[in-house]
Amino acid sequence: GAVVSQHPSWVICKSGTSVKIECRSLDFQATTMFWYRQFPKKSLMLMATSNEGSKATYEQGVEKDKFLINHASLTLSTLTVTSAHPEDSSFYICSARPPRGGAQYFGPGTRLLVL
Amino acid sequence: GENVEQHPSTLSVQEGDSAVIKCTYSDSASNYFPWYKQELGKGPQLIIDIRSNVGEKKDQRIAVTLNKTAKHFSLHITETQPEDSAVYFCAASYSNQFYFGTGTSLTVIP
Repeated sequence: GAVVSQHPSWVICKSGTSVKIECRSLDFQATTMFWYRQFPKKSLMLMATSNEGSKATYEQGVEKDKFLINHASLTLSTLTVTSAHPEDSSFYICSARPPRGGAQYFGPGTRLLVL
Repeated sequence: GENVEQHPSTLSVQEGDSAVIKCTYSDSASNYFPWYKQELGKGPQLIIDIRSNVGEKKDQRIAVTLNKTAKHFSLHITETQPEDSAVYFCAASYSNQFYFGTGTSLTVIP
């Protein structure tokens, strides 16, 4: 149990385009989902926390107009990187937390390369 | 806010030996401590966790110990195998807040 999927796993796009990443909790409902960014050989950097049906809470320094987060249902959250630029290239990972609390369960990650 | 420190940053052990990774935290309100294993190019996987009302938890070759007074917790892997090679992250949590350590890259040498 506690499986989280992400789609796509890989995306290559041109500078200026927008990219949407989907995060789904497959076998549990997640009232809270988290979005992280990870640079090579670095720890997880929390970008935002999203609660179903409400606006996401962004960490300091993360542009909310650049990284749009939607948590429309208890099993789906999306991250849209708008007008992507090469510096947005990174590994993006989502996680979901069941209502009972406890651990976050991570998705497999999405590697974004902006040319 | 919470501050989690993790040591060592890299660790190499011979196959069959034990590996120990240590984390300290600063906020006594933290009450939940998960450990994650991340293989290259993948998302972190929960391997074991412990709550603040427990001092030790074991799952086969993996164990976690927690010292609330000293605010530190440790991951112990016994009889290490090459497939244990990965990056391990500790975390301290309170409510919906999670604070991650900087990671330990473990290499198990066959």
